[in-house]
Amino acid sequence: QVQLQESGPGLVRPSETLSLTCTVSGGSISSFYCSWVRQTPEKGLEWIGYISYRGTTKNNPSLRDRVTISADTSRNQFSLRLTSVTAADTAVYYCAKTSKWGEWYFDLWGRGTLVTVAS
Amino acid sequence: DIVMTQSPDSLPVSLGERATINCKSSQTLLYSSTNENFLAWYQQKPGQPPKLLIYWASTRESGVPDRFSGSGSGTDFTLTISSLQPEDVAVYYCQQYYNTPYTFGQGTKLE
Repeated sequence: QVQLQESGPGLVRPSETLSLTCTVSGGSISSFYCSWVRQTPEKGLEWIGYISYRGTTKNNPSLRDRVTISADTSRNQFSLRLTSVTAADTAVYYCAKTSKWGEWYFDLWGRGTLVTVAS
Repeated sequence: DIVMTQSPDSLPVSLGERATINCKSSQTLLYSSTNENFLAWYQQKPGQPPKLLIYWASTRESGVPDRFSGSGSGTDFTLTISSLQPEDVAVYYCQQYYNTPYTFGQGTKLE
């Protein structure tokens, strides 16, 4: 049974880079696709972007070029980098799985990790 | 971006009652070539991630009780819980996956 687990620093300073990892257990990342989604009380759920195990990515234009999503098949992990963070990037960050290309609903989510942007 | 608007924001319901949540999209989610609506519904309980309930607007995810049903087409969709159980108290979200950026409704809280 596939499980997703996000990890990374819980506190990031303004203007620095947020880096998170989604570790996949119980299955290979080569068999599905990963999105990153964040959630705040103010904005609700916001899709950040997706990646396939082959490295095809698509990001939310609202985040401009601050987002990099990558995959490491050797470690069975996906990663998210968000540069130049501000307080508005404070959120719970989830990785979420999509089983079929083109069918971008999320059939499994990690438990999420809270990232706070503060000095 | 496709804007997803849910109504109501909160819904007081009693156990055993029927609950209906609406979701309206700013553009059609119906892909005419396949006649499929690119809409999903999720349930989120406090401290937990969202859980997929429904996709393609009306297809129930494996393991989801049949008291949950989805309907609608085009721009107007509904999630119905036929007989509310205690474990159904949660926030419910719709999501469109017709176009990027994929977007969610603001959520409906069952109380």
